[in-house]
Amino acid sequence: SQTIHQWPATLVQPVGSPLSLECTVEGTSNPNLYWYRQAAGRGLQLLFYSVGIGQISSEVPQNLSASRPQDRQFILSSKKLLLSDSGFYLCAWSVPWGEKLFFGSGTQLSVL
Amino acid sequence: AQTVTQSQPEMSVQEAETVTLSCTYDTSESDYYLFWYKQPPSRQMILVIRQEAYKQQNATENRFSVNFQKAAKSFSLKISDSQLGDAAMYFCAYRSPPVGSNYKLTFGKGTLLTVNP
Repeated sequence: SQTIHQWPATLVQPVGSPLSLECTVEGTSNPNLYWYRQAAGRGLQLLFYSVGIGQISSEVPQNLSASRPQDRQFILSSKKLLLSDSGFYLCAWSVPWGEKLFFGSGTQLSVL
Repeated sequence: AQTVTQSQPEMSVQEAETVTLSCTYDTSESDYYLFWYKQPPSRQMILVIRQEAYKQQNATENRFSVNFQKAAKSFSLKISDSQLGDAAMYFCAYRSPPVGSNYKLTFGKGTLLTVNP
């Protein structure tokens, strides 16, 4: 069966520090991968998606970047965090052309 | 761009009663999917129900059913016999036609459902 792992669960970082959130999927090949952010009182906002290794599409201009160095690994990064980067970050995957998204357990990021 | 609107930030229901959560969306497409996701306090996103736009029959999953009105672009979720475990944030989502092999989901801002014992 397929599983998705996302870590860390909680992260507190100072403004200006770097960020690296990691997501891995097991039990499937060539998944579509997604990073969403959920700010307080708002819905989920799609940040990045990837349909293959090295293929990253950005949905929202921002201080963040994403990379996909391996088929089932998706990384969200920042060189210098801003206060506005605080939020709950969710990784998700789907099969190509699949209509269902499967979500990880999320990372609560607090930038202080 | 597609938009999804959930006009009820919060709703409450008594245990064993029925509650309906509203969702409207804006699209120029004719073929799409709609979803309801549940996010309990654990914050794990769980798919509750989905509806294909080309199907006139409303989707049902046990105590969960939808009222899909394509012309009105309305997609409401009805929860029957509400249980304490139904308490969660509920998100309506729209899936646009694919770009390559990728489908993108657009989410509403959510409705926080409280179930009172």
